[in-house]
Amino acid sequence: DAGVIQSPRHEVTEMGQEVTLRCKPISGHDYLFWYRQTMMRGLELLIYFNNNVPIDDSGMPEDRFSAKMPNASFSTLKIQPSEPRDSAVYFCASSPVTPPNSPLHFGNGTRLTVT
Amino acid sequence: AQSVSQHNHHVILSEAASLELGCNYSYGGTVNLFWYVQYPGQHLQLLLKYFSGDPLVKGIKGFEAEFIKSKFSFNLRKPSVQWSDTAEYFCASRGSYNTDKLIFGTGTRLQVFP
Repeated sequence: DAGVIQSPRHEVTEMGQEVTLRCKPISGHDYLFWYRQTMMRGLELLIYFNNNVPIDDSGMPEDRFSAKMPNASFSTLKIQPSEPRDSAVYFCASSPVTPPNSPLHFGNGTRLTVT
Repeated sequence: AQSVSQHNHHVILSEAASLELGCNYSYGGTVNLFWYVQYPGQHLQLLLKYFSGDPLVKGIKGFEAEFIKSKFSFNLRKPSVQWSDTAEYFCASRGSYNTDKLIFGTGTRLQVFP
C-alpha cells in the first residue's frame, strides 16, 4: 500500500498563473478530501468526494478554485488564476468509509507558494 | 458554525515534562472527537479517538485524552514527553450537520528540547 500520493511536493508560481494539484487516493477508498493548511486558519476542508461525486464544496474559497475526480484513482484541485493569499500546504486525504468510522489517510501535501 | 478551538498555538517543553494540550468543541449532537499528529516532514496520522464509553481514551505512544462533556473539552495529555514528540497536534470533531466531515482545530505546535 503506497498510501495517498500527491504531486507535486512543492509548487512555486507567479500570481495569475494556473496551478493544478494532483492526488491519487488509496485503492478501494470511497472518500477523498482536499484540505488546506495555513498558520492562521489551520486545516480547512475545501471539498470532498464520495465515489467520485462531489458531495460538499462549501469550503472552496471562491470560483477560482475547482476540483474534479474523473475516476476512483485520481483527483485534481485547480486554482485559476492563483493569488499570493493561496499560498498554503494543500493536503489530500482518503478514507474507505465515512471518516468518523475510519481514520483519514493523508498524503504528504503540496506546498504552494504564489509570488 | 461548528468549530474546534485549540488555545495553545505553540508549546515548548523539556524532556520528561508533563504535557496537556487544550481542545474545546462546539456542541453538535453526537460527539466524535479525534487527535491527529503531524511529525516534521510527515503526513497527519491518527493519535486517538473518542466515540462513546470510557471518557478517558488511550492512544499510541503513551498519549491519552479525556472527554469532559460539561466543559466541551477533549484535552490531550502525556505524563512525560520525549524529544520525538516534537510535532504539530490537531484536535478534530465530526461534523454534526454533515457527519462525513471532520472539523479540525488550528493545531498546536509542540517543541520538546532534550
